[in-house]
Amino acid sequence: DTEVTQTPKHLVMGMTNKKSLKCEQHMGHRAMYWYKQKAKKPPELMFVYSYEKLSINESVPSRFSPECPNSSLLNLHLHALQPEDSALYLCASSQKIGLAGPYEQYFGPGTRLTVT
Amino acid sequence: EDQVTQSPEALRLQEGESSSLNCSYTVSGLRGLFWYRQDPGKGPEFLFTLYSAGEEKEKERLKATLTKKESFLHITAPKPEDSATYLCAVQSGSSNTGKLIFGQGTTLQVKP
Repeated sequence: DTEVTQTPKHLVMGMTNKKSLKCEQHMGHRAMYWYKQKAKKPPELMFVYSYEKLSINESVPSRFSPECPNSSLLNLHLHALQPEDSALYLCASSQKIGLAGPYEQYFGPGTRLTVT
Repeated sequence: EDQVTQSPEALRLQEGESSSLNCSYTVSGLRGLFWYRQDPGKGPEFLFTLYSAGEEKEKERLKATLTKKESFLHITAPKPEDSATYLCAVQSGSSNTGKLIFGQGTTLQVKP
């Protein structure tokens, strides 16, 4: 089973709202990722977690706040977003990260976020 | 600087008309090259990992090959359900962060 699940599928929020995106995997993977994807562009890495610790933050604005409560779950907390943050947000997981790789990443279906 | 370039940007084929998609890369030591398929509004679906020059992998009508500078995704006798955007991504040998460098993708349309 190579399934990564994401909820919700769609989210519409105002610029003053606080919302959260959720991601779950049960493959025993120890690395999890958040990506942002705009229309007709490739996914753009935001955050990487390795063994539940933040490994990479690609200079993402603080209005995006990631959280990894345990090895199966990844959240992305959203606050005071801008209309330009509207995009498809993708979660992915891989067995791990490190020099013994490469480790393929498995993506979830995404959350379509619209900021009004 | 690590870079991935995919060509063509868009490709229209008739059903049964075989063709190839190209992925050229410049990376400081290749750890792995990945091919993904992405349908509109959905997450990328993993297809193949290639590790070293000369390697080939197949799945149904798709065959991926790798040289020291590029990878090809060959599509044999495509069907309309093969229509999608195909993404190529590389992982640098110097990277232990899991970061992928994506190309811009090739959007394939197969007409019946």
